Amino acid sequence: SQELEQSPQSLIVQEGKNLTINCTSSKTLYGLYWYKQKYGEGLIFLMMLQKGGEEKSHEKITAKLDEKKQQSSLHITASQPSHAGIYLCGADTTGNQFYFGTGTSLTVIP
Amino acid sequence: NAGVTQTPKFQVLKTGQSMTLQCAQDMNHEYMSWYRQDPGMGLRLIHYSVGAGITDQGEVPNGYNVSRSTTEDFPLRLLSAAPSQTSVYFCASISGGVAEAFFGQGTRLTVV
Repeated sequence: SQELEQSPQSLIVQEGKNLTINCTSSKTLYGLYWYKQKYGEGLIFLMMLQKGGEEKSHEKITAKLDEKKQQSSLHITASQPSHAGIYLCGADTTGNQFYFGTGTSLTVIP
Repeated sequence: NAGVTQTPKFQVLKTGQSMTLQCAQDMNHEYMSWYRQDPGMGLRLIHYSVGAGITDQGEVPNGYNVSRSTTEDFPLRLLSAAPSQTSVYFCASISGGVAEAFFGQGTRLTVV
């Protein structure tokens, strides 16, 4: 069973549109990571959230961790073709085991 | 450059063959783990280690063995490869506590 539920599974957006990807856990998250993977390549670290209510931004990507530390959202503003790829959330829910969501495949149409 | 070195990048095995995927990190991280990535299933934890001499099973450990004789190395062994083990494998290294995870570049394994 998946510790982390990620939605949606896939997303197709027009260039310039905003979008949001969600990551939900049934357990308290001790640390939540967002990664991006370009097709056929390795994982690229985007950002990490630790504190409830924390929000971080990198260029046009913003991630938030809710107050209860059980859900995170990744928001991309004014999407570009370079944003295309698979976005994965990862988290430590037990103190020792790091799990990942199922991933969201993002396609940005020029 | 500091980071996680994972080898090989590609491998084709025949059913029943054995092989070892190598993973090494030079950041003195205690926690290392192996994942497999399959379409529609994200990354699934195979085995992990919280320090030299300590290993434990993750979500999908069957068919895989690991050992952690040193802090730096965490090899993953397939004793008798099966077509169901065709996947992309990632090794990760994480410093103690809550911190950034560093990933290897992945190994694309095909079992025929």
